[in-house]
Amino acid sequence: DTEVTQTPKHLVMGMTNKKSLKCEQHMGHRAMYWYKQKAKKPPELMFVYSYEKLSINESVPSRFSPECPNSSLLNLHLHALQPEDSALYLCASSRLAGVHEQYFGPGTRLTVT
Amino acid sequence: GNSVTQMEGPVTLSEEAFLTINCTYTATGYPSLFWYVQYPGEGLQLLLKATKADDKGSNKGFEATYRKETTSFHLEKGSVQVSDSAVYFCALSDGGGGSEKLVFGKGMKLTVNP
Repeated sequence: DTEVTQTPKHLVMGMTNKKSLKCEQHMGHRAMYWYKQKAKKPPELMFVYSYEKLSINESVPSRFSPECPNSSLLNLHLHALQPEDSALYLCASSRLAGVHEQYFGPGTRLTVT
Repeated sequence: GNSVTQMEGPVTLSEEAFLTINCTYTATGYPSLFWYVQYPGEGLQLLLKATKADDKGSNKGFEATYRKETTSFHLEKGSVQVSDSAVYFCALSDGGGGSEKLVFGKGMKLTVNP
Protein backbone atom coordinates (compact mmCIF):
# COMPACT_ATOMS: atom_id res chain seq x y z
CA ASP A 1 0.00 0.00 0.00
CA THR A 2 1.68 3.18 -1.21
CA GLU A 3 -1.28 5.45 -0.64
CA VAL A 4 -1.57 8.73 1.17
CA THR A 5 -5.17 9.77 1.73
CA GLN A 6 -6.47 13.28 2.35
CA THR A 7 -9.86 14.54 3.44
CA PRO A 8 -11.81 16.48 2.50
CA LYS A 9 -11.23 16.64 -1.26
CA HIS A 10 -12.73 20.12 -1.46
CA LEU A 11 -13.33 22.73 1.24
CA VAL A 12 -14.94 26.15 1.10
CA MET A 13 -14.63 28.27 4.22
CA GLY A 14 -15.24 31.82 5.31
CA MET A 15 -12.54 33.98 6.83
CA THR A 16 -13.96 33.55 10.34
CA ASN A 17 -14.33 29.76 10.15
CA LYS A 18 -12.21 27.08 11.80
CA LYS A 19 -11.63 23.91 9.80
CA SER A 20 -9.14 21.05 9.66
CA LEU A 21 -7.49 19.07 6.89
CA LYS A 22 -6.62 15.45 7.53
CA CYS A 23 -3.91 13.22 6.07
CA GLU A 24 -3.29 9.54 6.68
CA GLN A 25 -0.70 6.99 5.59
CA HIS A 26 -0.18 3.34 6.53
CA MET A 27 3.21 2.75 4.95
CA GLY A 28 5.11 3.00 8.23
CA HIS A 29 6.67 6.27 7.12
CA ARG A 30 8.15 8.41 9.90
CA ALA A 31 8.24 11.72 8.04
CA MET A 32 5.16 13.66 6.95
CA TYR A 33 4.86 16.96 5.14
CA TRP A 34 2.38 19.71 4.31
CA TYR A 35 2.72 21.62 1.05
CA LYS A 36 0.75 24.48 -0.46
CA GLN A 37 0.37 24.63 -4.24
CA LYS A 38 -0.98 27.61 -6.15
CA ALA A 39 -2.14 27.24 -9.75
CA LYS A 40 0.65 26.65 -12.28
CA LYS A 41 3.31 26.63 -9.56
CA PRO A 42 5.33 23.88 -7.88
CA PRO A 43 4.41 22.84 -4.34
CA GLU A 44 5.80 25.02 -1.54
CA LEU A 45 6.86 23.30 1.66
CA MET A 46 5.01 24.43 4.79
CA PHE A 47 5.82 21.94 7.57
CA VAL A 48 7.83 18.77 8.14
CA TYR A 49 7.20 16.25 10.91
CA SER A 50 9.85 13.67 11.71
CA TYR A 51 9.00 10.97 14.25
CA GLU A 52 5.85 12.93 15.16
CA LYS A 53 7.85 16.02 16.06
CA LEU A 54 7.76 19.27 14.09
CA SER A 55 11.19 19.64 12.50
CA ILE A 56 10.61 22.37 9.91
CA ASN A 57 8.22 25.32 9.85
CA GLU A 58 8.82 27.39 6.73
CA SER A 59 7.77 30.64 8.42
CA VAL A 60 4.10 29.78 7.91
CA PRO A 61 1.57 32.22 9.43
CA SER A 62 0.07 31.09 12.73
CA ARG A 63 -3.39 30.85 11.17
CA PHE A 64 -2.09 27.45 9.94
CA SER A 65 -1.51 25.04 12.82
CA PRO A 66 -0.17 21.54 12.15
CA GLU A 67 -0.63 18.54 14.40
CA CYS A 68 0.73 15.01 14.25
CA PRO A 69 -1.30 12.87 16.72
CA ASN A 70 0.52 9.66 15.76
CA SER A 71 2.86 8.28 13.14
CA SER A 72 0.03 7.68 10.64
CA LEU A 73 -1.92 10.90 10.95
CA LEU A 74 -1.23 14.51 10.13
CA ASN A 75 -3.69 17.36 10.55
CA LEU A 76 -3.65 20.97 9.46
CA HIS A 77 -5.90 23.25 11.50
CA LEU A 78 -7.09 26.39 9.76
CA HIS A 79 -8.35 29.56 11.43
CA ALA A 80 -9.01 33.10 10.21
CA LEU A 81 -7.67 32.42 6.74
CA GLN A 82 -7.40 35.00 3.99
CA PRO A 83 -8.62 34.67 0.38
CA GLU A 84 -4.99 34.44 -0.77
CA ASP A 85 -4.71 31.19 1.21
CA SER A 86 -6.95 29.53 -1.38
CA ALA A 87 -4.84 26.78 -2.94
CA LEU A 88 -4.34 23.02 -3.22
CA TYR A 89 -2.95 21.65 0.05
CA LEU A 90 -0.89 18.52 -0.39
CA CYS A 91 0.23 16.05 2.22
CA ALA A 92 3.22 13.79 1.63
CA SER A 93 5.13 11.14 3.54
CA SER A 94 8.52 9.46 3.25
CA ARG A 95 10.22 6.56 5.02
CA LEU A 96 12.51 8.99 6.79
CA ALA A 97 13.10 12.70 6.43
CA GLY A 98 15.87 13.55 4.02
CA VAL A 99 16.83 11.89 0.78
CA HIS A 100 14.04 9.36 0.55
CA GLU A 101 11.33 9.85 -2.05
CA GLN A 102 8.10 11.44 -0.92
CA TYR A 103 4.65 10.03 -1.65
CA PHE A 104 1.91 12.59 -2.13
CA GLY A 105 -1.80 12.50 -1.43
CA PRO A 106 -4.40 13.82 -3.89
CA GLY A 107 -4.71 17.11 -2.05
CA THR A 108 -7.47 19.25 -0.59
CA ARG A 109 -8.71 22.08 -2.81
CA LEU A 110 -9.32 24.97 -0.38
CA THR A 111 -11.31 28.07 -1.25
CA VAL A 112 -11.49 30.92 1.26
CA THR A 113 -14.39 33.32 0.71
CA GLY B 1 21.64 26.97 -2.08
CA ASN B 2 20.17 24.03 -3.98
CA SER B 3 18.09 24.75 -7.07
CA VAL B 4 16.50 23.04 -10.05
CA THR B 5 16.05 24.55 -13.50
CA GLN B 6 13.77 22.85 -15.98
CA MET B 7 12.00 23.60 -19.23
CA GLU B 8 8.75 25.35 -18.42
CA GLY B 9 6.72 24.96 -21.59
CA PRO B 10 3.88 24.56 -22.16
CA VAL B 11 4.67 21.95 -24.78
CA THR B 12 2.22 20.34 -27.19
CA LEU B 13 3.12 17.11 -29.00
CA SER B 14 1.37 14.69 -31.26
CA GLU B 15 0.83 11.12 -30.10
CA GLU B 16 3.89 8.87 -30.67
CA ALA B 17 6.28 11.85 -30.73
CA PHE B 18 9.59 11.78 -28.84
CA LEU B 19 9.69 13.73 -25.58
CA THR B 20 12.63 15.36 -23.84
CA ILE B 21 12.24 17.62 -20.82
CA ASN B 22 15.51 19.20 -19.75
CA CYS B 23 16.41 19.49 -16.07
CA THR B 24 19.63 20.79 -14.55
CA TYR B 25 20.44 21.24 -10.91
CA THR B 26 22.73 23.07 -8.51
CA ALA B 27 23.57 21.35 -5.25
CA THR B 28 26.38 21.47 -2.75
CA GLY B 29 26.29 17.78 -1.87
CA TYR B 30 25.27 14.59 -3.64
CA PRO B 31 21.53 14.90 -4.08
CA SER B 32 18.94 12.33 -5.03
CA LEU B 33 16.99 13.34 -8.12
CA PHE B 34 13.34 12.77 -8.93
CA TRP B 35 10.72 13.32 -11.60
CA TYR B 36 7.18 13.81 -10.38
CA VAL B 37 4.06 13.97 -12.55
CA GLN B 38 0.81 15.75 -11.74
CA TYR B 39 -2.27 14.82 -13.74
CA PRO B 40 -5.11 17.37 -13.93
CA GLY B 41 -6.90 17.75 -10.60
CA GLU B 42 -4.60 15.33 -8.77
CA GLY B 43 -1.65 15.29 -6.41
CA LEU B 44 1.93 14.53 -7.42
CA GLN B 45 3.03 11.00 -8.30
CA LEU B 46 6.62 9.87 -8.20
CA LEU B 47 7.53 8.92 -11.76
CA LEU B 48 11.16 7.87 -11.32
CA LYS B 49 14.24 8.53 -9.26
CA ALA B 50 18.04 8.22 -9.20
CA THR B 51 20.18 8.38 -6.11
CA LYS B 52 23.73 8.51 -7.46
CA ALA B 53 25.76 9.45 -10.51
CA ASP B 54 25.12 7.38 -13.65
CA ASP B 55 21.98 5.80 -12.17
CA LYS B 56 19.14 5.50 -14.67
CA GLY B 57 15.58 5.75 -13.39
CA SER B 58 12.79 4.33 -15.53
CA ASN B 59 9.04 3.84 -15.29
CA LYS B 60 6.09 3.67 -17.72
CA GLY B 61 8.41 4.15 -20.71
CA PHE B 62 10.04 7.26 -19.22
CA GLU B 63 13.77 7.35 -18.50
CA ALA B 64 16.23 9.78 -16.92
CA THR B 65 19.96 9.40 -16.21
CA TYR B 66 21.77 11.15 -13.36
CA ARG B 67 24.66 12.99 -15.04
CA LYS B 68 26.98 14.49 -12.46
CA GLU B 69 29.40 15.94 -15.01
CA THR B 70 26.64 18.03 -16.60
CA THR B 71 24.49 18.29 -13.42
CA SER B 72 21.50 17.12 -15.43
CA PHE B 73 18.58 14.71 -15.15
CA HIS B 74 16.72 15.01 -18.44
CA LEU B 75 13.44 13.11 -18.83
CA GLU B 76 12.82 11.20 -22.08
CA LYS B 77 10.12 9.03 -23.58
CA GLY B 78 10.30 7.52 -27.03
CA SER B 79 6.60 7.61 -27.89
CA VAL B 80 4.17 9.73 -25.89
CA GLN B 81 0.48 8.94 -25.46
CA VAL B 82 -2.52 11.18 -24.87
CA SER B 83 -2.59 9.82 -21.30
CA ASP B 84 0.86 11.38 -20.68
CA SER B 85 -0.70 14.86 -20.72
CA ALA B 86 0.23 16.30 -17.33
CA VAL B 87 2.61 18.65 -15.54
CA TYR B 88 6.11 17.28 -14.96
CA PHE B 89 8.30 18.44 -12.07
CA CYS B 90 12.00 17.76 -11.66
CA ALA B 91 13.12 17.76 -8.02
CA LEU B 92 16.13 17.11 -5.84
CA SER B 93 16.57 16.12 -2.25
CA ASP B 94 19.81 16.76 -0.45
CA GLY B 95 19.65 15.16 2.99
CA GLY B 96 23.06 16.42 3.91
CA GLY B 97 23.22 18.80 6.86
CA GLY B 98 19.82 17.75 8.10
CA SER B 99 17.95 19.17 5.14
CA GLU B 100 14.63 17.45 4.63
CA LYS B 101 13.39 19.46 1.71
CA LEU B 102 12.45 18.57 -1.81
CA VAL B 103 13.50 21.38 -4.14
CA PHE B 104 11.25 21.53 -7.21
CA GLY B 105 11.67 23.00 -10.64
CA LYS B 106 8.86 25.22 -11.89
CA GLY B 107 7.12 22.40 -13.74
CA MET B 108 6.37 21.82 -17.40
CA LYS B 109 2.90 21.29 -18.78
CA LEU B 110 2.72 18.69 -21.55
CA THR B 111 -0.29 18.24 -23.80
CA VAL B 112 -0.38 15.28 -26.17
CA ASN B 113 -2.88 15.42 -29.01
CA PRO B 114 -4.24 12.34 -30.79
